[in-house]
Amino acid sequence: GNSVTQMEGPVTLSEEAFLTINCTYTATGYPSLFWYVQYPGEGLQLLLKATKADDKGSNKGFEATYRKETTSFHLEKGSVQVSDSAVYFCALRNNNDMRFGAGTRLTVKP
Amino acid sequence: NAGVTQTPKFRILKIGQSMTLQCTQDMNHNYMYWYRQDPGMGLKLIYYSVGAGITDKGEVPNGYNVSRSTTEDFPLRLELAAPSQTSVYFCASSTLGTSGRETQYFGPGTRLLVL
Repeated sequence: GNSVTQMEGPVTLSEEAFLTINCTYTATGYPSLFWYVQYPGEGLQLLLKATKADDKGSNKGFEATYRKETTSFHLEKGSVQVSDSAVYFCALRNNNDMRFGAGTRLTVKP
Repeated sequence: NAGVTQTPKFRILKIGQSMTLQCTQDMNHNYMYWYRQDPGMGLKLIYYSVGAGITDKGEVPNGYNVSRSTTEDFPLRLELAAPSQTSVYFCASSTLGTSGRETQYFGPGTRLLVL
């Protein structure tokens, strides 16, 4: 079946630190992979996506590369800001079946 | 555009009561989804629709029903509320943009408490 496992949080970083949030998946076929961000009291917002192997999704300084050989889609950002504090969800879509990871809470301190 | 709107924002139900969570989008998106988010967990797909008149089950459909009579509306029905249905419910819609970059939008959520 389809599933997503992501790094447990919470993650606390200082401003300008490097961020990595690990995400691995299990799926049959060729799923699309996503990262979503959820700010307090709000719904999820699509951050970036990749639809095939070796694709790199990027947005607002965040990047993730679809690695089929390691079934991974790790989220990275070179220099985080306080405004990046939120919960980040890795997700996959495989033939309209959407699966989400449990979420990783990121807190960035000034 | 208002995007995806959900009503109500918050509701308390007694066990066995029924209710309908409303979801409307004004972006002419074909795809619509209902999710539930339990505390500290990711979202789980309840039902989805790929267009008016077409619905299908997601990961956790038991205890829920949906209909899609128009492109804009995708209501979620709880017939016999149970405490296990206490959760935050998110509606979402999406389409595939001309650039190939999928555009997905989530509503603000409905918080449901079943006592």
